[in-house]
Amino acid sequence: ETGVTQTPRHLVMGMTNKKSLKCEQHLGHNAMYWYKQSAKKPLELMFVYNFKEQTENNSVPSRFSPECPNSSHLFLHLHTLQPEDSALYLCASSPQTRERYTDTQYFGPGTRLTVL
Amino acid sequence: GESVGLHLPTLSVQEGDNSIINCAYSNSASDYFIWYKQESGKGPQFIIDIRSNMDKRQGQRVTVLLNKTVKHLSLQIAATQPGDSAVYFCAENRGTSGTYKYIFGTGTRLKVLA
Repeated sequence: ETGVTQTPRHLVMGMTNKKSLKCEQHLGHNAMYWYKQSAKKPLELMFVYNFKEQTENNSVPSRFSPECPNSSHLFLHLHTLQPEDSALYLCASSPQTRERYTDTQYFGPGTRLTVL
Repeated sequence: GESVGLHLPTLSVQEGDNSIINCAYSNSASDYFIWYKQESGKGPQFIIDIRSNMDKRQGQRVTVLLNKTVKHLSLQIAATQPGDSAVYFCAENRGTSGTYKYIFGTGTRLKVLA
């Protein structure tokens, strides 16, 4: 798991709190992703960044705000969340180079978020 | 609607036996597939991938088979070990024109019995 790291691993927050999730990739990749994983549901893509530019926002509520200051770091800022936002939030990265025929995503360990 | 799904939510196998985990997809234009393994408390871990111009690919103890005719993907694990116990799910690339957008299945839980 040293390729993609996420902090914190666990987070408990109230609905009025503001917190941030951090992701860092040490793989030299050009794309980074945020996913939400809820119990018994498929992974849900939230945001995609390619070369620091946001290329996809999968209809995510504005209480989730991503930030990508460089190709190695990705943040997810959280504010006024709801209990139904409790889930495992996963970060991933991929090479995203046109010379490759494939673009495998590598995941971090996730942040287990509980909203009270 | 189009979906990526798994035939069985839970699969129990005896240690040492072979495991087969299945995945159905419905988008005939999908050109790339990945199998992931997710252990409890961890993020998904890449196992093996396959492009649509292939029908079989082998790794260490794992084989992925792709049947484009019936839009079916399977993961075979040889000589299943206790450490193989995890949730396995497939991912399908729905991106076009060289882009990548993955749709993930719900997952199958593999339980290895001693």
